[in-house]
This record gives sequence, C-alpha cells and structure tokens, in this order.
Amino acid sequence: DGGITQSPKYLFRKEGQNVTLSCEQNLNHDAMYWYRQDPGQGLRLIYYSQIVNDFQKGDIAEGYSVSREKKESFPLTVTSAQKNPTAFYLCASSIGGRQETQYFGPGTRLLVL
Amino acid sequence: EDKVVQSPLSLVVHEGDTVTLNCSYEVTNFRSLLWYKQEKKAPTFLFMLTSSGIEKKSGRLSSILDKKELFSILNITATQTGDSAIYLCAVEAGGTSYGKLTFGQGTILTVHP
Repeated sequence: DGGITQSPKYLFRKEGQNVTLSCEQNLNHDAMYWYRQDPGQGLRLIYYSQIVNDFQKGDIAEGYSVSREKKESFPLTVTSAQKNPTAFYLCASSIGGRQETQYFGPGTRLLVL
Repeated sequence: EDKVVQSPLSLVVHEGDTVTLNCSYEVTNFRSLLWYKQEKKAPTFLFMLTSSGIEKKSGRLSSILDKKELFSILNITATQTGDSAIYLCAVEAGGTSYGKLTFGQGTILTVHP
C-alpha cells in the first residue's frame, strides 16, 4: 500500500544530543514537509522540500536540519541548538504544489529526558 | 509574516447542534485556504477553497471563503460524537513562498451524546 511513514513513534533525547526523525513516502510525491505541533499552536512549518536536493526553511527552522538526497526520504535532525524540542512532529508529502493532496504521516513524539 | 487565526479555540456542543468554526488570515500572496480534521494523530483533508462565495459541501460539512474580508467558515450541521476533533485551517502561499502552508492554532470541537 502507498503511504507515508514516520519512525520512531516515540523518541527520547538527552541534553546536548542530536536526534534524527525518519520520514519515508512511496507515493512518488515531489514535495515533502516537516511540521511541529504544540498544544494550542496548530502546525508550524519547520522545513519543506519541493524537489530532490533542494529544501527551504519554514517559520521555525532554527535548531533543525534536513536533507533530501532521495525523493522518498526527508529526514529531520533536531540538533542540540533546539532548546525546546519536546513536541509532536508531523511529516507530510504532496504532488508538487497540490496542497489538497497533502498526506500526513502518523507523527513522532519527541521527549527530552 | 503570514498569519492564520481560528476561533473559537474550543467548543463543546451536544449531538444534533450546528456549529460554525471561523478562520481569518493575512497572507502576502494568497493561493488557497484548506480545512483539515485531526482526530488522533495526522490531519485529514476536508476542503480546499480558492474562490470567494462558492460553497464547498461534503455531507454535513460545508465551507465558504470570503477573499475580500479574508476569512472562511466551516459549518457542521447535525453534529455527531464522531465529529469531535481538532479542526485546522491553513493558508497556502503562492509566489516565492509557493507551496508553503501556514496553519491556525486549531479549534477543538467536543460533541457530547
């Protein structure tokens, strides 16, 4: 079945540690996105990529990094520079600029120890 | 900076009631407005609106956009307990920010039997 997957479901980070969240899609979508969700704040865009080997910063990119070496993969690294990483992270993909076909993954909850 | 504001932030109703959720926005280069329903983890797409005054309808849900006054409403008639969810509004930008979505903070709808 086609879809978008994220792993792990839960992730624990120690102080000063970098962690990487995985996002994979087999929908042949060109565009992929990372959002962060905090209570009462909806979804905020971290990074997005419209094509392989290219990505743009969203509204809250500081403390995060991404790569897009393959069309199907868009991993997000939460660096030690992100001082408040505890949140729910959602990855999404869409057919190029067609936002109505944006599919979301199941999400990863990141907790700081 | 693009901005989306939803109201109310939370709403509690009884089955059979009709509810109206509001979404106002400010965006530099408007392309479309989207509504999502988020029940457990990942949001699911409801409507995409691009033109003023044209109602989109799906069963008991309907939505309309006013591009002059910069807002949209989502109506749910004859609510059911299964409508309980967070409803997210998002605005898609065009131009140099093509493909970027800005989300509102969401409205938490609770429908009691």
